[in-house]
Amino acid sequence: ETGVTQSPTHLIKTRGQQVTLRCSSQSGHNTVSWYQQALGQGPQFIFQYYREEENGRGNFPPRFSGLQFPNYSSELNVNALELDDSALYLCASSLGEGRYEQYFGPGTRLTVT
Amino acid sequence: LAKTTQPISMDSYEGQEVNITCSHNNIATNDYITWYQQFPSQGPRFIIQGYKTKVTNEVASLFIPADRKSSTLSLPRVSLSDTAVYYCLVVNTNAGKSTFGDGTTLTVKP
Repeated sequence: ETGVTQSPTHLIKTRGQQVTLRCSSQSGHNTVSWYQQALGQGPQFIFQYYREEENGRGNFPPRFSGLQFPNYSSELNVNALELDDSALYLCASSLGEGRYEQYFGPGTRLTVT
Repeated sequence: LAKTTQPISMDSYEGQEVNITCSHNNIATNDYITWYQQFPSQGPRFIIQGYKTKVTNEVASLFIPADRKSSTLSLPRVSLSDTAVYYCLVVNTNAGKSTFGDGTTLTVKP
């Protein structure tokens, strides 16, 4: 059974640019959540997708958007990057259906200059 | 969303039992409590989850009082490799939202 994978591992972008981060969920998991983790802080919930629909959203502006595909892989898109968007972006998949433990990927380290 | 509060740091010695408490005063009926461990430059790793009373697995126990306004993660006989940041995470099953605490940095000394 493969775990959660994310790509790329590291990314450097310039303020104002757009970025797409990718996540491949653990096999059989139909729910994916994305988190932003700034250095020295706990992960902050961005949004969750369940069976290709956004299921919940944290306090992030609309320039943070996502997609979940039929194979349950997902993307996080961030438009108009700001310096404060520099962080580790984590995705986590879960079985859903009453199972709440989340399995995290290693994260993508985004640096905005 | 439930707001969570944890101690910033804790120290322990090898072989001791460690208890880390998370406060979540405004927890909702449909919220579940989960705990995670995170090492530097890695994603968090699931430890245990619960709704009320006590849950035990092969690595930890979770104690949740009747009012569910707090939870305590208990790690028996810690070792140096348990040095990490420990997070409680409240999952709102209705809204599909999750709230992490700020984490507790546990340092295990020889």
